[in-house]
Amino acid sequence: DTAVSQTPKYLVTQMGNDKSIKCEQNLGHDTMYWYKQDSKKFLKIMFSYNNKELIINETVPNRFSPKSPDKAHLNLHINSLELGDSAVYFCASSRTGGTEAFFGQGTRLTVV
Amino acid sequence: AQKVTQAQTEISVVEKEDVTLDCVYETRDTTYYLFWYKQPPSGELVFLIRRNSFDEQNEISGRYSWNFQKSTSSFNFTITASQVVDSAVYFCALSEFYGNKLVFGAGTILRVKS
Repeated sequence: DTAVSQTPKYLVTQMGNDKSIKCEQNLGHDTMYWYKQDSKKFLKIMFSYNNKELIINETVPNRFSPKSPDKAHLNLHINSLELGDSAVYFCASSRTGGTEAFFGQGTRLTVV
Repeated sequence: AQKVTQAQTEISVVEKEDVTLDCVYETRDTTYYLFWYKQPPSGELVFLIRRNSFDEQNEISGRYSWNFQKSTSSFNFTITASQVVDSAVYFCALSEFYGNKLVFGAGTILRVKS
């Protein structure tokens, strides 16, 4: 019974395409996040949502658009994919801000 | 601005050795949380511990222990009698008390050889 699940696990696509990553949590948490891990393993926050409301948008290009239809879901849509978007994208959730975040298994996006 | 520094890029040890992973942080907040996460070769991020800035007591969980020293802004992690399964990337992270993001260090790759 996975706590935070994201799909797909792997995504290979061509430059210029549009793709989405879906995330669901069954922990009853109020806060959800998207993090990006680059090729050097560096993890950085992209977006943070609390009760479906966008709280943090950490200077992410407009091509990235998160959507939270309800507290348990946070999807990430990426338009016009670029080579530099290749990374592992992690969804996470936490009870509230400042508490421990639980992460999904990650989506490895490769743009060719 | 918040910052987390993990100066050790990579550490290699032989099984059963003790190893300490260093973490130094910067924040202007007086209240905050500190975390450690483990990322094994399979890629998932596993939560290990959260410590709030009010509590400087050291914590031990099995072979893992954490030393929080506010005076030196450090939150170090020690693995006693390391095992091959401890091989992973370990991340230290910082959050404001009611913050909505984790600020991660660059991670330390730990390789435990048999």
